[in-house]
Amino acid sequence: GAGVSQSPSNKVTEKGKDVELRCDPISGHTALYWYRQRLGQGLEFLIYFQGNSAPDKSGLPSDRFSAERTGESVSTLTIQRTQQEDSAVYLCASSPRRAVEQFFGPGTRLTVL
Amino acid sequence: QKEVEQDPGPLSVPEGAIVSLNCTYSNSAFQYFMWYRQYSRKGPELLMYTYSSGNKEDGRFTAQVDKSSKYISLFIRDSQPSDSATYLCAMLLQGAQKLVFGQGTRLTINP
Repeated sequence: GAGVSQSPSNKVTEKGKDVELRCDPISGHTALYWYRQRLGQGLEFLIYFQGNSAPDKSGLPSDRFSAERTGESVSTLTIQRTQQEDSAVYLCASSPRRAVEQFFGPGTRLTVL
Repeated sequence: QKEVEQDPGPLSVPEGAIVSLNCTYSNSAFQYFMWYRQYSRKGPELLMYTYSSGNKEDGRFTAQVDKSSKYISLFIRDSQPSDSATYLCAMLLQGAQKLVFGQGTRLTINP
């Protein structure tokens, strides 16, 4: 079946602009995660959604970052007033409820000029 | 100090060699220990995971966890050029969902 998909695959923006990144999880997966991967670094947790529960936003680095999820489907990660340090690959993952394995999408490569 | 430390490499070995990749960690409460493989410009894919201490084998791959030393390893036997990728260790607390990753080790297997 289809895996996790993300769009766009690449995004170049100017400093100060807002960007929206989209994630389509695997159908039936109730959990959805966003991570950030800076060049040459491991993944940093940003936010976690599980069904209709309140999201775990503990990894969001500033109030310029926000995310929404519609039910158990699509999620969007929004970065307002982008800064050069926001340049990174943003990865989305999904998993079935209470599963250990997280299935990752290919990521969105964000470049802030 | 990061919660999970991993030597970023790069590591380059000849085809057929045994590869050893390692991570150390500081939080003794971690219970799940994972190894992900990430090809260039792709998302990570889970290779294998271990719950608590011990060894786990899957084909040419063996994962080891030593909780007393807070040290985990991934061994790759009979390495192939197709194994060339970045290998990320990741850990999870019992009942939690947030993975904590190491920096990743970039591995190249030379034909």
